[in-house]
Amino acid sequence: DIQMTQSPSSLSASVGDRVTITCRASQTINTYLNWYQQKPRKAPKLLIYGASSLQTGVPSRFSGSGSGTDFTLTISSLQPEDFAIYYCHQSYSNPWTFGRGTNVEIK
Amino acid sequence: EVQLVESGGGLAQPGGSLRLSCAASGFTFRSYEMNWVRQAPGKGLEWVSYITYGGDTIYYADSVKGRFTVSRDNAKNSLYLQMNSLRAEDTAVYYCAREDGYIEAFDYWGQGTLVTVSS
Repeated sequence: DIQMTQSPSSLSASVGDRVTITCRASQTINTYLNWYQQKPRKAPKLLIYGASSLQTGVPSRFSGSGSGTDFTLTISSLQPEDFAIYYCHQSYSNPWTFGRGTNVEIK
Repeated sequence: EVQLVESGGGLAQPGGSLRLSCAASGFTFRSYEMNWVRQAPGKGLEWVSYITYGGDTIYYADSVKGRFTVSRDNAKNSLYLQMNSLRAEDTAVYYCAREDGYIEAFDYWGQGTLVTVSS
């Protein structure tokens, strides 16, 4: 199975900050990497697919990059509604696997 | 509007069974692969099962293989998860998620249904 390692597991940031979350795959997954945002008691929401493509309707302050084994989700200017847990997800091979999540908290 | 609505969750005893359903609307259900993903209380996301358009290809996580069975009825726009031999560690919110085969990602999720396995 492909293991997805996210870091950090949590971070504190202020509104307006630039935030970067990383995800590393245990083997190459090309660009089959997706990012989801989950708010308390809500279903996950797709933000980024194919490592760097913005899902329709997602604000442009979110961006993704990377290929192979190392990937990054960046929020260019953190907004109040962005405080949530973020998960990476590989769709390269079965079983699909998720990172353990990064909790973005208010500083 | 795409909607996925899960139902069938509840309390089950260890060794018991439950059948989850996911009612789909707002899109051509038979044209999409579907998945079940679960989330234990306070934990992260765990993929559970996948089924292709016609149900001819199915995958399971090792943690549920041999105990859970996924199926779909395209005429009823519905996805199912039959869960047998339930264990305490199966306690979780279960989400159905649509997979867009072009982008290889879960682009729509239901609101989830809670399964609690306890005596």
